[in-house]
Amino acid sequence: GESVGLHLPTLSVQEGDNSIINCAYSNSASDYFIWYKQESGKGPQFIIDIRSNMDKRQGQRVTVLLNKTVKHLSLQIAATQPGDSAVYFCAENPYSGNTPLVFGKGTRLSVIA
Amino acid sequence: DAGVTQSPTHLIKTRGQQVTLRCSPKSGHDTVSWYQQALGQGPQFIFQYYEEEERQRGNFPDRFSGHQFPNYSSELNVNALLLGDSALYLCASSLFQTRSSQPQHFGDGTRLSIL
Repeated sequence: GESVGLHLPTLSVQEGDNSIINCAYSNSASDYFIWYKQESGKGPQFIIDIRSNMDKRQGQRVTVLLNKTVKHLSLQIAATQPGDSAVYFCAENPYSGNTPLVFGKGTRLSVIA
Repeated sequence: DAGVTQSPTHLIKTRGQQVTLRCSPKSGHDTVSWYQQALGQGPQFIFQYYEEEERQRGNFPDRFSGHQFPNYSSELNVNALLLGDSALYLCASSLFQTRSSQPQHFGDGTRLSIL
């Protein structure tokens, strides 16, 4: 993944609003993508995944959209809550199977109560 | 159902020393991957173990080595520590799949500080 330095992109959202976090991935051959949430002092927590044969997948309060044409991934969080405040990473699996994850630039989500 | 567990949670070492970090995978998982996460950055892949062998390796020097045990737990060893090795070291486990990717589940990491 690319290094992002100490200053992550930040998204500030009012509690109750919807959040959209975007990610550009690098490898057009990637066939599997994951969104992770990382809270301070914790490891990345799996949120949702999507395979390249899909363009949308929904979970509980979250939706992931995949646009392979422009190599873009987005995570939508409905009715954002203070507990959603964290750094969010997208990760791609460049090849099928057990290849290592390549992480994108993280985005810090701050929820304003 | 226990998730991925790592020990210790924090560690302070000095330059030139050696360190061993430990990881127990999530129940039912057989593959362990190690990542290094510098402050403010995304995790960077170090290596992956399956069937007690290193299967893949990222762009890390030979000072970084590992081991996987028959019970699937794993160790990460770093020799001749440098200041730049200060980071959060994450262990992720998954079920080995040759064709269909599966999510990797992470532990909370070991915070290593080099003085």
